[in-house]
This record gives sequence, structure tokens and C-alpha cells, in this order.
Amino acid sequence: ETGVTQTPRHLVMGMTNKKSLKCEQHLGHNAMYWYKQSAKKPLELMFVYSLEERVENNSVPSRFSPECPNSSHLFLHLHTLQPEDSALYLCASSQDQGGPYEQYFGPGTRLTVT
Amino acid sequence: GQNIDQPTEMTATEGAIVQINCTYQTSGFNGLFWYQQHAGEAPTFLSYNVLDGLEEKGRFSSFLSRSKGYSYLLLKELQMKDSASYLCAAMDSNYQLIWGAGTKLIIKP
Repeated sequence: ETGVTQTPRHLVMGMTNKKSLKCEQHLGHNAMYWYKQSAKKPLELMFVYSLEERVENNSVPSRFSPECPNSSHLFLHLHTLQPEDSALYLCASSQDQGGPYEQYFGPGTRLTVT
Repeated sequence: GQNIDQPTEMTATEGAIVQINCTYQTSGFNGLFWYQQHAGEAPTFLSYNVLDGLEEKGRFSSFLSRSKGYSYLLLKELQMKDSASYLCAAMDSNYQLIWGAGTKLIIKP
């Protein structure tokens, strides 16, 4: 138990669906992250939020839309996805952004796009 | 460009010692992290090195050479539960983590 929870753990969606992934951290951290993990590839950083402000957006397609309503919650809204978006989506948090802080990860959402 | 290299897969025997190597190239450097990830689970932090040398933490040790852009994770007295992927990540000048693809470690009895 890392103090970061994600729901759902598994999600199957069609290319025309709209769904959202949820992440919650119980650690009092100020920074939150979304990563994409594909088999045998490095973790890809998608979005970074610090104190609810987006500070990083690594050229992610607009079909992925993040939302950070407060420092404990992070959402990833999905729409019109492609089969190549199937992957494990990991949420993480750290004490702050912009320093050598350890990141705490949630268990991930395994997404399959059909 | 920024890059991390680590072996894709390694096999070792229960009770033995294994060393997982990682080389990195980053724009600036603010330390090197190792994470462990069991199948279907979250990555969990193992170690952080920013100065040259060896850091020991129980059965696990991590080494860093900044001049060579090189790190290794040393696992001693291997146990079956050590079967996992080990992720190397270097922090660049913007404090962004550059990740390797991970090393899958298989422990055999």
C-alpha cells in the first residue's frame, strides 16, 4: 500500500467511448503525475501537476485530458481513443515538483481499447 | 538526446548475488533512482544516489559513478520474492525523471 489509489483497476472501452481514470493520494503531497507504461518500453510521462497547476504536458494527444481539482485528486479523461493507447496508466505523487523527490505510484489502470 | 540503457532480462539463482547495470545520458544530472515493480503492481522506490559511491540498504545496494554515467543495483541473498522488474531512472537538470525500460529479473530455485 503506497498511499496512492487508482480506479478502476481494469477498463475495456471502445474507440468511441468516453471514460475517466481516477487517482487519489493520501500522503499530503503537492505534485501528481500521469504516466503511460507499455510493455518493454520506458515509462512515458504524460502530465505533471504541482499545487493543482499543470506544469508539464509532454506532447500528449488531445484525446487525453487531465484534471486536478485539488492536490489529492487527479483525473484522466479519455475520449475517442485508439487501440495503440492500450497500456497501463500509472498515477504517482511526490512531496513537491522540481526537486529530487521520490515518487509514490498507484497500482495503475490496465486499459484496453477495442 | 536523453537515454537510459539497462538489460531487458536477467536470470539468477535463489541465494545468489545479481548485479543489474544501468547507463544514462541526460541533460544535467540530479540523481539516479531505482524502483522495483512486481507484475501487476505499482513501482516502489528502492534507492536514490546523487554522489559517487555505494549505498547499502539491507540486501540491496546501489552504486553510482557520475563520471561514467553508470549505476548498478546489487541484490544479495536472492529470494524468490525478488522476481520483479527493476527500473532505473535518472533525473535531469529540470528534475524530470528519464526512465529505462526496466530489467526483468527471474529467480530460479
